[in-house]
Amino acid sequence: GQQVMQIPQYQHVQEGEDFTTYCNSSTTLSNIQWYKQRPGGHPVFLIQLVKSGEVKKQKRLTFQFGEAKKNSSLHITATQTTDVGTYFCAEVGGNNRLAFGKGNQVVVIP
Amino acid sequence: DAGVIQSPRHEVTEMGQEVTLRCKPISGHDYLFWYRQTMMRGLELLIYFNNNVPIDDSGMPEDRFSAKMPNASFSTLKIQPSEPRDSAVYFCASSSWDTFQHFGDGTRLSIL
Repeated sequence: GQQVMQIPQYQHVQEGEDFTTYCNSSTTLSNIQWYKQRPGGHPVFLIQLVKSGEVKKQKRLTFQFGEAKKNSSLHITATQTTDVGTYFCAEVGGNNRLAFGKGNQVVVIP
Repeated sequence: DAGVIQSPRHEVTEMGQEVTLRCKPISGHDYLFWYRQTMMRGLELLIYFNNNVPIDDSGMPEDRFSAKMPNASFSTLKIQPSEPRDSAVYFCASSSWDTFQHFGDGTRLSIL
């Protein structure tokens, strides 16, 4: 099936700085979900975006769904060491199945 | 409330041996998913079930892989015979039709 592309693949972020990770698709997405996986852990659901142009915030995290529903972004402000991990976006298909991107691995530099 | 439970957490075995991974989904969830995660290929969906019935097994890499869900509270993923390239982390996840997926802690499988 269709796969979402994530950029960048790796990021090193200084503690206290902001960063953004992107998720792109060549076709229109119905819904998109974001997950976070800590090192050695399992993916944990963060958010689902459904509507064109939707913006949702969770404390220091801001999630956006593009107007054309072909891209999404996650922006984190004032990065903390607890933000370390891999951030995945996933296209939601029929029967609740997910097609994950390759992820953006984030390393936080104290 | 117990989450998705997988066993074993770690498995090390020699190639050619049969490997069985187990999963107990969250009670009330009617979807169950098996994933494999490697550095090279990322997180791949292997197979998923709805109401204990396999819906799509197109992600199962070879006939050496099989999965069953005999009842709503248990599923297995079996590899027979195992090969070194099967080494990976295998995740089980469950969901309802209108919820996000809840992942288990995974089984870290090493085939020597």
